[in-house]
Amino acid sequence: DGGITQSPKYLFRKEGQNVTLSCEQNLNHDAMYWYRQDPGQGLRLIYYSQIVNDFQKGDIAEGYSVSREKKESFPLTVTSAQKNPTAFYLCASTTGGPRANEKLLFGSGTQLSVL
Amino acid sequence: SQQGEEDPQALSIQEGENATMNCSYKTSINNLQWYRQNSGRGLVHLILIRSNEREKHSGRLRVTLDTSKKSSSLLITASRAADTASYFCATDDQAGTALIFGKGTTLSVSS
Repeated sequence: DGGITQSPKYLFRKEGQNVTLSCEQNLNHDAMYWYRQDPGQGLRLIYYSQIVNDFQKGDIAEGYSVSREKKESFPLTVTSAQKNPTAFYLCASTTGGPRANEKLLFGSGTQLSVL
Repeated sequence: SQQGEEDPQALSIQEGENATMNCSYKTSINNLQWYRQNSGRGLVHLILIRSNEREKHSGRLRVTLDTSKKSSSLLITASRAADTASYFCATDDQAGTALIFGKGTTLSVSS
């Protein structure tokens, strides 16, 4: 079955540590996105990528980094520069993107907490 | 950059009642989408309405779009306890490359 997989489901970060969240899709989607969700809040865009080896900053990219070396993978690294990383992180993918009237398919999320 | 804003923030109704939630946005859009999120889970796409459409139906869902008022509404008819979730509207950003989400409406349906 095609889908988008995020791992791990729960992740704990120590002070000063970088952690990487995994996002994999086998849908042959071109575009992939990372969103952050704080309790009771909407989703805020961190980074997105429309093609391999290219990605763009979203509204809250500071303290985060991404790579897109393969079409099916879009990992997110939360660096030590991100001082308030506790949040629910959602990965999503789509074929043509919003302008092409395409919906997003979301993973099940990763809850990141600081120890 | 917050594009969509849902109203109300929270809504509590009884099973069988209708639930209406509204979304306002700021700039011109190509389309508007509604998503649902159960607690602690990812979002699920419900319905997409294009800027040249005024109304769209999908099962018990009815979405309207008024581009002159920059607003949309989502109506869930004959609500069930299983409809309890958060509902988000989303619009494309000005470059058309990403979706921008509102803060959502939390719907509680009690039996």
